[in-house]
Amino acid sequence: DTAVSQTPKYLVTQMGNDKSIKCEQNLGHDTMYWYKQDSKKFLKIMFSYNNKELIINETVPNRFSPKSPDKAHLNLHINSLELGDSAVYFCASSQGGKNTEAFFGQGTRLTVV
Amino acid sequence: GESVGLHLPTLSVQEGDNSIINCAYSNSASDYFIWYKQESGKGPQFIIDIRSNMDKRQGQRVTVLLNKTVKHLSLQIAATQPGDSAVYFCAETRYNFNKFYFGSGTKLNVKP
Repeated sequence: DTAVSQTPKYLVTQMGNDKSIKCEQNLGHDTMYWYKQDSKKFLKIMFSYNNKELIINETVPNRFSPKSPDKAHLNLHINSLELGDSAVYFCASSQGGKNTEAFFGQGTRLTVV
Repeated sequence: GESVGLHLPTLSVQEGDNSIINCAYSNSASDYFIWYKQESGKGPQFIIDIRSNMDKRQGQRVTVLLNKTVKHLSLQIAATQPGDSAVYFCAETRYNFNKFYFGSGTKLNVKP
């Protein structure tokens, strides 16, 4: 039973398209995140949600819009995809608050052509 | 074998040897630190954590050392095995901050 699951695992699309990545966690955590990992493996936080509310937006272009229908789900919608959006996107969740680790999904490899 | 993180992003060790992976963090306000392991095609996986009120914590075959004076973190892996081959990241955060900052990662290659 996967703790943090994201779909799809691979996504290949053309420039200019709009796409979504879905994420669900069954850990009962209050906080969910989206991270972007570039080709050099650098992991950078994009968004953080706590109980369905956006608490962190790390200067991500507004073409990226996260949506949290409930605290177990955090989806990422991307408009007008650009070549530079190609990366691996990771969803994660944590209990939030004091000193708890984040649990990561398996990642979605997005390739924009 | 030992790495210095940003300067040696790849560490190669012989199976059975001990490995030391280093990480320098920048925020003196960070008070919680985690080491993650990322295998190819997978998401980062928690290995061990340490709070700022400690300077050492041990797990199974792994030890994390924290030196707050010089803002340095290290992960020691005893008797390194081929299954330890992965990219290792340190992550830092502050109390109740809901955001983890990741280091650049070190790739560990274990030679049989």
